[in-house]
Amino acid sequence: EVQLVETGGGLVQPGKSLKLTCATSGFTFSTAWMHWVRQSPEKRLEWIARIKDRSNNFATDYVESVKGRFTISRDDSKSGVYLQMNSLKEEDTATYYCTAGARFTYWGQGTLVTVSS
Amino acid sequence: DIVMTQAPLSVSVTPGESASISCRSSKSLLHSNGVTHVYWYLQKPGKSPQLLIYRMSNLASGVPDRFSGSGSETDFTLKISRVEAEDVGIYYCGQLLENPNTFGAGTKLELK
Repeated sequence: EVQLVETGGGLVQPGKSLKLTCATSGFTFSTAWMHWVRQSPEKRLEWIARIKDRSNNFATDYVESVKGRFTISRDDSKSGVYLQMNSLKEEDTATYYCTAGARFTYWGQGTLVTVSS
Repeated sequence: DIVMTQAPLSVSVTPGESASISCRSSKSLLHSNGVTHVYWYLQKPGKSPQLLIYRMSNLASGVPDRFSGSGSETDFTLKISRVEAEDVGIYYCGQLLENPNTFGAGTKLELK
């Protein structure tokens, strides 16, 4: 059974940092492209980051609104993907999902990040 | 960025009837290899999104054949035949042709 479990969300003040973790199992993680997608309180979906596999040099890409603030990384030995979020803004408030595969085939249950003073 | 525009924003359907959701992209989603990179996802109430249709017309694993996808280079349709109670939720189209990948605003399907 495929599982993706996100952790690390919570309430954080603007300007602060947070690191999300996605633990996975049940599929070949080492060859999967991994993504973070967030959903606003208004239910809009926004792709924010992707990391490719080793054969693609772990290449990363980001949506413009998080470039320079967010960093996606992965640890194939732990089948985990991470999202380091710095300089958080109120508009980053959302449920954050990790997804696996070029088609976003598998999704986690999401973790809620609330940025508020 | 490629803009994905869905219509309608909500639809109410009698169980057993069919429903169609439209999606339009601001740019052709046809790759030079002949694949059209539009995808459909369903988010059931309280759940995460799930993949329904990939590459415009291919059913994802486990998806009932009541669902079908079609379209051209910029105009796409998701059709649900014989709507059932389990089909309730928000349907999103998305383009995975270019970064940033982008999604439509979603179409909420409810039962009459």
